[in-house]
Amino acid sequence: GDSVTQMEGPVTLSEEAFLTINCTYTATGYPSLFWYVQYPGEGLQLLLKATKADDKGSNKGFEATYRKETTSFHLEKGSVQVSDSAVYFCALRGIENTGGFKTIFGAGTRLFVKA
Amino acid sequence: NAGVTQTPKFQVLKTGQSMTLQCAQDMNHNSMYWYRQDPGMGLRLIYYSASEGTTDKGEVPNGYNVSRLNKREFSLRLESAAPSQTSVYFCASSDFGAYRRDNEQFFGPGTRLTVL
Repeated sequence: GDSVTQMEGPVTLSEEAFLTINCTYTATGYPSLFWYVQYPGEGLQLLLKATKADDKGSNKGFEATYRKETTSFHLEKGSVQVSDSAVYFCALRGIENTGGFKTIFGAGTRLFVKA
Repeated sequence: NAGVTQTPKFQVLKTGQSMTLQCAQDMNHNSMYWYRQDPGMGLRLIYYSASEGTTDKGEVPNGYNVSRLNKREFSLRLESAAPSQTSVYFCASSDFGAYRRDNEQFFGPGTRLTVL
């Protein structure tokens, strides 16, 4: 079945460092790909998404490119801030055998940014 | 516009007790979902409701029941709580049902449940 694998955390960085969180997926067909972010004590919220190969999703300085050839959707940010400390979830939305779509989440990667 | 709200925020139960987690959304969304979040396992779907009047099992439905009370409200019931149900529970909603490929979900703040 479909699955999402993301790098284990926690990831600890200093402010202004470059961030990469790796995400790879397994899916039949052409899923949509998402990054969600969960700030402490809150629910998940959509950070960015991409719906087809080579699409780049971007928001708040974060970017991720849908790479079909490597089945990856790595999250990057050029200069992290303390306020980026959160848990980041990679997710895919793919077709299931009933003909509808379902969302599958990765395990999440916790990011700590030190001042 | 409150988005998705959940009550309670925290709950402690003893094994065998029952309780209902409440969820409401004010975005006029058709679909609603219940997830549980456990360390190292991401979010796992318990039940979902593609539209008012329908409910379907997700990945981990055992030990739970749901009710889609109306378009706004979707409750999750634990009939006889077990320690394995200790988790953080999230309710979510989305504008379109299961037949939209780029469907974004909107999440509530979660309920932290401990079963002793």
